[in-house]
Amino acid sequence: AQSVTQLDSQVPVFEEAPVELRCNYSSSVSVYLFWYVQYPNQGLQLLLKYLSGSTLVKGINGFEAEFNKSQTSFHLRKPSVHISDTAEYFCAVRLSRSSASKIIFGSGTRLSIRP
Amino acid sequence: DAGVIQSPRHEVTEMGQEVTLRCKPISGHNSLFWYRQTMMRGLELLIYFNNNVPIDDSGMPEDRFSAKMPNASFSTLKIQPSEPRDSAVYFCASSLGQNLNEQFFGPGTRLTVL
Repeated sequence: AQSVTQLDSQVPVFEEAPVELRCNYSSSVSVYLFWYVQYPNQGLQLLLKYLSGSTLVKGINGFEAEFNKSQTSFHLRKPSVHISDTAEYFCAVRLSRSSASKIIFGSGTRLSIRP
Repeated sequence: DAGVIQSPRHEVTEMGQEVTLRCKPISGHNSLFWYRQTMMRGLELLIYFNNNVPIDDSGMPEDRFSAKMPNASFSTLKIQPSEPRDSAVYFCASSLGQNLNEQFFGPGTRLTVL
């Protein structure tokens, strides 16, 4: 079965600094990968997804992630964060060859931005 | 588009009472998901429907939980009887067709069982 690990439960950074949120997955077959963002008191929103093709995926709000098959990673990055990026970020995985497979979410990383 | 609509947004009830959470998916979406989010366990998928049919209910914690989708525009998650450990935020999400790759989440229902 597939699984996803987010090693950092919290990441504090200063405003305008770069950030990387780490995500590693485990699966014996090919997968789709996702990052979702949850702003305070809201539901989750899709930030970006990797299905196939270019391993560098660009999402909304200036975020991007790189799929690294050899390291089974899908880290999320942003070169310069803003206060408005304060949220919880969830990495997720889904089997690519099963139309009925469900998305498995990681435990989340809380990003806090300091002015 | 109004997005996924959930009601109520907040629910406080006493142990032993029945609780019903409601969800209206985005019009045209025919996959619907119920999730539970807690500090201890994170985000857990409880059940999902495709074309109003339950596909995977392996995440439903126990018989006290039940979910229905009587039509394409409405679903309920019921807890009877409720217990304090059921306190959590319950999210409903929907997606288009068989594309489970982008789920649209509702704002959630914060349930507190005293």
